[in-house]
Amino acid sequence: GAVVSQHPSWVICKSGTSVKIECRSLDFQATTMFWYRQFPKQSLMLMATSNEGSKATYEQGVEKDKFLINHASLTLSTLTVTSAHPEDSSFYICSARASHSSNQPQHFGDGTRLSIL
Amino acid sequence: QKEVEQNSGPLSVPEGAIASLNCTYSDRGSQSFFWYRQYSGKSPELIMFIYSNGDKEDGRFTAQLNKASQYVSLLIRDSQPSDSATYLCAAHITDQAGTALIFGKGTTLSVSS
Repeated sequence: GAVVSQHPSWVICKSGTSVKIECRSLDFQATTMFWYRQFPKQSLMLMATSNEGSKATYEQGVEKDKFLINHASLTLSTLTVTSAHPEDSSFYICSARASHSSNQPQHFGDGTRLSIL
Repeated sequence: QKEVEQNSGPLSVPEGAIASLNCTYSDRGSQSFFWYRQYSGKSPELIMFIYSNGDKEDGRFTAQLNKASQYVSLLIRDSQPSDSATYLCAAHITDQAGTALIFGKGTTLSVSS
């Protein structure tokens, strides 16, 4: 149980392109979804927290106009990297939690490796 | 700044030995703690979570929590080469968005056969 699917797994595109990444909870309803970014040999950095039906809350230093997050249903959240540039190249990982309780674990998708040329 | 600190390693142990991974956290309000394993190029997978002081055992894994010392550890008994990975410690923090996980940088474990 607690499967999170993330798509696509790998994206290579030109600078200036917008890229959409999908995160789906397959066998549970995710009240909260999280988006992380991980650079090589670095830890996961939380970008934003998304509660279903409300606007995402972004961490300090993360541009909300560049990283658009939509959490329209209890099973789907999307992250759109707008006008991506080479410095946006990273490993983007979503996670989902079935309840608002902080004692419940987050379950991660397989990640999306984004390479901007 | 709420932080989770881990020794980056690498921690090298022979097959069959006990591997001990340590973590400290700065937010005294954190109530729940998680250990994730991450293989190179893959996303993290949950190993254990703990939120009461003391030990919690699951198979070869034991998580230990000491809230007074703000210290969390993970013991892996009978270490196997397949345990070689980066182990991420995470603590729940509360910020303006609600609760979220803050991760340490991870400890790389290498188990030699």
